[in-house]
Amino acid sequence: NAGVIQTPRHKVTGKGQEATLWCEPISGHSAVFWYRQTIVQGLEFLTYFRNQAPIDDSGMPKERFSAQMPNQSHSTLKIQSTQPQDSAVYLCASSSRGQDTQYFGPGTRLLVL
Amino acid sequence: GDQVEQSPSALSLHEGTGSALRCNFTTTMRAVQWFQQNSRGSLINLFYLASGTKENGRLKSTFNSKESYSTLHIRDAQLEDSGTYFCAAEGGNYKYVFGAGTRLKVIA
Repeated sequence: NAGVIQTPRHKVTGKGQEATLWCEPISGHSAVFWYRQTIVQGLEFLTYFRNQAPIDDSGMPKERFSAQMPNQSHSTLKIQSTQPQDSAVYLCASSSRGQDTQYFGPGTRLLVL
Repeated sequence: GDQVEQSPSALSLHEGTGSALRCNFTTTMRAVQWFQQNSRGSLINLFYLASGTKENGRLKSTFNSKESYSTLHIRDAQLEDSGTYFCAAEGGNYKYVFGAGTRLKVIA
């Protein structure tokens, strides 16, 4: 079991560019979560999928951020027109059910210059 | 306001000693999870509790949903225990709310 896989591990973009982050949940897990970690805000919930369906995106910034889960083996978080304040570590987690132990990936460290 | 209040924010321990970390919740939580974040930034699962107490080696954790708190006890601290410890609580809506973390430094 490879655990939750996130790619890339590091990404540097210029202001205004697009960034796509990838997550492969643990095989057989039906729930996928995205979180963001910054020094100032700490760890914050962004969005949640269960059985590939979007359940809750209440933590997502209303503009420029979107997430998808086109199949059970991966989810993407896309940030359009990146801004310096988007710089953070983006963490993906999966669980076998929505209300259960969440297993986190290593994160993608995004730096927007 | 913050739903999860974690303390202390920082802690130094000499090898072989122990201490307790605590999270207080301002709303009713259904479950709590404790993590260690290592130097590479990875969140390592320590415990998941819906109630009661669990123990694993030198670590023990308790979750009391009625009194709205959870604790993580570390005994016989080792250098590799250094890192940041987070509690995360779930109020029945599957979203974890994280504490601000406790930065633990174990000193030889």
